[in-house]
Amino acid sequence: GQNIDQPTEMTATEGAIVQINCTYQTSGFNGLFWYQQHAGEAPTFLSYNVLDGLEEKGRFSSFLSRSKGYSYLLLKELQMKDSASYLCAPAGGSQGNLIFGKGTKLSVKP
Amino acid sequence: GAVVSQHPSRVICKSGTSVKIECRSLDFQATTMFWYRQFPKKSLMLMATSNEGSKATYEQGVEKDKFLINHASLTLSTLTVTSAHPEDSSFYICSARPAGRETLDEQFFGPGTRLTVL
Repeated sequence: GQNIDQPTEMTATEGAIVQINCTYQTSGFNGLFWYQQHAGEAPTFLSYNVLDGLEEKGRFSSFLSRSKGYSYLLLKELQMKDSASYLCAPAGGSQGNLIFGKGTKLSVKP
Repeated sequence: GAVVSQHPSRVICKSGTSVKIECRSLDFQATTMFWYRQFPKKSLMLMATSNEGSKATYEQGVEKDKFLINHASLTLSTLTVTSAHPEDSSFYICSARPAGRETLDEQFFGPGTRLTVL
């Protein structure tokens, strides 16, 4: 079956670092995406990992361990605008579609 | 690059009417487009996969006669919600996968359409 698990909510302070974890079980796998979604808007692409290891892109980094079915998104130097939901989405649906987790709602406090 | 548009962005309709939502890839061709639905505070759920020139593939539990999908060209897919009911009120999002890059499973999302059925 398909299962994606990530924390429902997290709170962090402006300027701090936060790590959002995701574990997944999918029937197929062709990489894992992280998306950011502000309320009422469509998801926007943050990162894509297909090989094990860390991918760094500015303030955002994403890590993947395929053998463990585990990924995390690391956000550094948090800003108020980073308050949003972060969706972990393995690629591996039967149609090549993404399978979305429920998302982690991050609140950044001053 | 890789921009996907949706029209309309918001629509309010009466119960029993039909609503058409368009999804366009503006600067690339997409052999495959996906339609998702998202209820408040819930995850994105795949409704159907739309392939250009062939019938859409619907996920279990999604009524194909109610949610009509037409992928008429490599840049346009439409979702028609027929005989809409209040429980169809939701945020509908499409995504498009660029032709020739299917192995990457990369998708680009439209801005979404907020449907409210009265």
